[in-house]
Amino acid sequence: RKEVEQDPGPFNVPEGATVAFNCTYSNSASQSFFWYRQDCRKEPKLLMSVYSSGNEDGRFTAQLNRASQYISLLIRDSKLSDSATYLCVVTAFTGGGNKLTFGTGTQLKVEL
Amino acid sequence: DTGVSQDPRHKITKRGQNVTFRCDPISEHNRLYWYRQTLGQGPEFLTYFQNEAQLEKSRLLSDRFSAERPKGSFSTLEIQRTEQGDSAMYLCASSRTGATSFLNTDTQYFGPGTRLTVL
Repeated sequence: RKEVEQDPGPFNVPEGATVAFNCTYSNSASQSFFWYRQDCRKEPKLLMSVYSSGNEDGRFTAQLNRASQYISLLIRDSKLSDSATYLCVVTAFTGGGNKLTFGTGTQLKVEL
Repeated sequence: DTGVSQDPRHKITKRGQNVTFRCDPISEHNRLYWYRQTLGQGPEFLTYFQNEAQLEKSRLLSDRFSAERPKGSFSTLEIQRTEQGDSAMYLCASSRTGATSFLNTDTQYFGPGTRLTVL
């Protein structure tokens, strides 16, 4: 079983739609949680951190449920420019560093 | 440009050849990470440096792989006797630890990657 599991998609949605991605992780010692965005053939870029209390950044809302080891990302009023792969990421402090453990990513395609 | 840079951006090599990649982190970032990403997968951790010390290596890093960060600034990743299975995007990321927190979460900034194709 992968440490971080995501539905690979693709999710094809019309512009303006609301779309939700989910992610589960297996390591209960995981300490920090993120969503990264990756455009085709580009490097991953941090979209937002995820906190137990939930956090919002504009049209993006992230939630963490530690008890269920579940992370979500909600995108409202989706734009064409939101088309990308969204990577769920967890970290566990180890050996002095914070190595990131990535899911396989969920592909989003926003269409006219 | 003050971001993470990687060189070369693309490398095509024949099986059995050695290749070396370079990563220049963001200035003053003391942590440097290498990841590998294959098609359809998320990046996978390879190794990590804090300053010049290599503190952790993944089991993915076979003895054909070696990484260095001799002066705590740039890093190199060498693959000896390349195999077709080594074909992937090799990503470097850097971060800066906080001054006060032990269990800090250092934001990692990724470079554009080196895409390796082994024929």
